[in-house]
Amino acid sequence: GENVEQHPSTLSVQEGDSAVIKCTYSDSASNYFPWYKQELGKGPQLIIDIRSNVGEKKDQRIAVTLNKTAKHFSLHITETQPEDSAVYFCAAKGGGFKTIFGAGTRLFVKA
Amino acid sequence: DGGITQSPKYLFRKEGQNVTLSCEQNLNHDAMYWYRQDPGQGLRLIYYSQIVNDFQKGDIAEGYSVSREKKESFPLTVTSAQKNPTAFYLCASSLLLAGLYEQYFGPGTRLTVT
Repeated sequence: GENVEQHPSTLSVQEGDSAVIKCTYSDSASNYFPWYKQELGKGPQLIIDIRSNVGEKKDQRIAVTLNKTAKHFSLHITETQPEDSAVYFCAAKGGGFKTIFGAGTRLFVKA
Repeated sequence: DGGITQSPKYLFRKEGQNVTLSCEQNLNHDAMYWYRQDPGQGLRLIYYSQIVNDFQKGDIAEGYSVSREKKESFPLTVTSAQKNPTAFYLCASSLLLAGLYEQYFGPGTRLTVT
C-alpha cells in the first residue's frame, strides 16, 4: 500500500546549525506534500507545503525541496533555534482523499 | 477566532466503558477526520467524513464509531471493543476531502483506559 518513510527518527543539532529531514513516498500520483510541526501535548500545525508543480519553496528559515522522479522530499531548517525543538511530520497526498503521514522526526536543538 | 476544538484534553476511563471524544470546528470545512497517535508513530486514520450524514472507515476503524449530524461537529466514540484504546486522539478538518487542501488539527485528547 501507500506509505511515506521519514528519516531520521531523531535529530539533535546545535543552535545555529541546519537541520534536514528526508521523506520518501511510494504513490507516484502524490502531488501535495505538507510538513507539520507538533509541540509536546499539542496538535500538529502546518509549517510549509509544496505542490508537485514546483521543485522548491522557501519561507524564511524553512525550505522544502521535492524530487518527483526519485519520489523524495526534504525539509531544511537553517539557523536553528531552541524553539524549533519539536516533532516534525512529512505527509503526501495523491489524487484521492487520503493523506499519508511519515512516522515523525523528533528534533532537539541544543542551546 | 476560527479553529478546531477538542474536549476534554485528558480523559480517564475504566476498561469496558464507552467514551465519546468531542470535536468542533468553525472553519466551515466540509471534511473532518479522526486520527490516532501512539508514541513514536505517525498518524493513523480512524474515520473520515466529507459531508454531513456521511462518513467512511479509515485504516483502523475497528472498535470506534462516529457521527456527523452537523457540519461543525464530528464526535468519536471509543467502544469497549477497542482492544488498546489508550492513545492521543487528533481531530482534523479540511475545506474539502479531495484536492490539495491542508488539514487543520485540533489540540488533541489524551485518553487513558485502565
